Amino acid sequence: EPEVTQTPSHQVTQMGQEVILRCVPISNHLYFYWYRQILGQKVEFLVSFYNNEISEKSEIFDDQFSVERPDGSNFTLKIRSTKLEDSAMYFCASSYFGTGGYGYTFGSGTRLTVV
Amino acid sequence: QQQVKQSPQSLIVQKGGISIINCAYENTAFDYFPWYQQFPGKGPALLIAIRPDVSEKKEGRFTISFNKSAKQFSLHIMDSQPGDSATYFCAASTDTASKLTFGTGTRLQVTL
Repeated sequence: EPEVTQTPSHQVTQMGQEVILRCVPISNHLYFYWYRQILGQKVEFLVSFYNNEISEKSEIFDDQFSVERPDGSNFTLKIRSTKLEDSAMYFCASSYFGTGGYGYTFGSGTRLTVV
Repeated sequence: QQQVKQSPQSLIVQKGGISIINCAYENTAFDYFPWYQQFPGKGPALLIAIRPDVSEKKEGRFTISFNKSAKQFSLHIMDSQPGDSATYFCAASTDTASKLTFGTGTRLQVTL
């Protein structure tokens, strides 16, 4: 079964440093997403991306966050200057359909620890 | 109004018992209600989903019951097994948005 692959599985970074989280979505999917889950809390939407543009973003996704599809297979989330409160599990997801929430496949996540 | 409220926070059920998790929403524009199962260290995986034009959907041991007038929906796991021990999230979305709005999660433990 096709998978969404995320790397690294765990990243530790110092406060103020930039981090890039990487994802390889399912190959025929057109829509890509980032969600985060602070330990023990609910999964929260960050951003959706289609056709090389952000299609929707949450209030969490401020100027310190950016997304990019640098080539035909990777999808990245960059956090420019990390804060302690950015510590969370970050999930990438992809879907063929762009609206309605259908057909999401989530990756296994990157645990980001900011120290 | 965008929230999805989920209860209970945690649940312990004996093997063979019925697990019931409830969710409630306010936004009447929501029209797709999936349930996700998450094992430790893994991402959420779609378990079962329902649209509001039906009141119940069953897939194997898993059933969603949907009450549109009460704006509530629930997941029933029949004959619960230790392998069902996981965190379960309800979610909702509208047909015009790309995002899923998740509930707060229920940690289910099925004991022998």
